[in-house]
Amino acid sequence: GDSVTQTEGLVTLTKGLPVMLNCTYQTTYSPFLFWYVQHLNEAPKLLLKSSTDNKRTEHQGFYATLHKSSSSFHLQKSSVQLSDSALYFCALSDRSGSWQLIFGSGTQLTVMP
Amino acid sequence: EAAVTQSPRSKVAVTGGKVTLSCHQTNNHDYMYWYRQDTGHGLRLIHYSYVADSTEKGDIPDGYKASRPSQENFSLILELASLSQTAVYFCASSDEQYSGNTLYFGEGSRLIVV
Repeated sequence: GDSVTQTEGLVTLTKGLPVMLNCTYQTTYSPFLFWYVQHLNEAPKLLLKSSTDNKRTEHQGFYATLHKSSSSFHLQKSSVQLSDSALYFCALSDRSGSWQLIFGSGTQLTVMP
Repeated sequence: EAAVTQSPRSKVAVTGGKVTLSCHQTNNHDYMYWYRQDTGHGLRLIHYSYVADSTEKGDIPDGYKASRPSQENFSLILELASLSQTAVYFCASSDEQYSGNTLYFGEGSRLIVV
């Protein structure tokens, strides 16, 4: 069945440094990939999404490119801020008609001053 | 902006007791969902609904019931709460059931079963 893997459970960085949060997926169908962000004691919110191969998608300084050849949708930012500290979820849905989102286990990003 | 509100935000329940988590949305969305969040497991779908008076099972429905009395309201019911049901529960809504639709989440209900 479909699955999503986020290899880092916890990432700690100093403000101003670049970050990449890994996301790989498995599906036999055409994928739709998402990144959701959850700040402490808040609801998860959509950060960005894509279904187009090799096209960079950007929002709020974060960007990701869906690479179907490597089944990846890594989240990146060139310079993290203190406000980026949050839990980040990668999620997958496929276009077979099974609309349900499959979430990864999440990556906690902590940005230090 | 889309609004999904959950109550209670936090609850301590006794093993074997009944727990009801409520969700209300003002988005005029047809689809509503209940997810469970556990550390290391991400979000897992418990039940969902696409129309009032009808609910469907998600990936982990055992031990849970759901009720959708109206388009705006969706409840999650634990008839006999167990220790393993200690978790954070999120309600969400969406306007369509298709790949690529955005889920709008509530702020979560933290349940501790003792």
